[in-house]
Amino acid sequence: QKEVEQNSGPLSVPEGAIASLNCTYSDRGSQSFFWYRQYSGKSPELIMSIYSNGDKEDGRFTAQLNKASQYVSLLIRDSQPSDSATYLCAVIPGSARQLTFGSGTQLTVLP
Amino acid sequence: SQTIHQWPATLVQPVGSPLSLECTVEGTSNPNLYWYRQAAGRGLQLLFYSVGIGQISSEVPQNLSASRPQDRQFILSSKKLLLSDSGFYLCAWSVGTGFDQPQHFGDGTRLSIL
Repeated sequence: QKEVEQNSGPLSVPEGAIASLNCTYSDRGSQSFFWYRQYSGKSPELIMSIYSNGDKEDGRFTAQLNKASQYVSLLIRDSQPSDSATYLCAVIPGSARQLTFGSGTQLTVLP
Repeated sequence: SQTIHQWPATLVQPVGSPLSLECTVEGTSNPNLYWYRQAAGRGLQLLFYSVGIGQISSEVPQNLSASRPQDRQFILSSKKLLLSDSGFYLCAWSVGTGFDQPQHFGDGTRLSIL
């Protein structure tokens, strides 16, 4: 079982819709969770950090964490074509001290 | 504010040639530093990390090596490149001793081996 799993997509949503990206992790002791956005040919850019169960909102982005179910999600409201990118989920497992990345979900927002 | 510089942006090297990629961080002291590789269409693979000068941990055995000669400088090297070394190399930094802080990436070096 992979430590961090994401649907590879591609996920397509129309402009203005809500995009929902999901991520599950295997280490129940994980405490730190991050979402990165990576445009094609560019380096990953941190967009959200979340450490506690529940929702964390930042502009059009909402991260949701459920440690009991071992999943973390990212919602993008009012999706824009500029949101088209690969979204990487990253977790610091309780058994390690390094970020473990999922393979990413490719999102396309259609105008 | 903190910034990270990575160079060169692109590099084309023949098989068997040496490699040296450099990364420097500004605006912070004693950062944790990381080297990742991302193959085309693949996820991020952690190659090395460092918590201080001269302290290097290797995550994946390979023909690459890393060094940290100064607090904010991290170097990735190889004596003889292989075709399989092609990829997008990313340097990243974080702060803190608990490793609960996010990592921030440089712009990366796209390495092509011919």
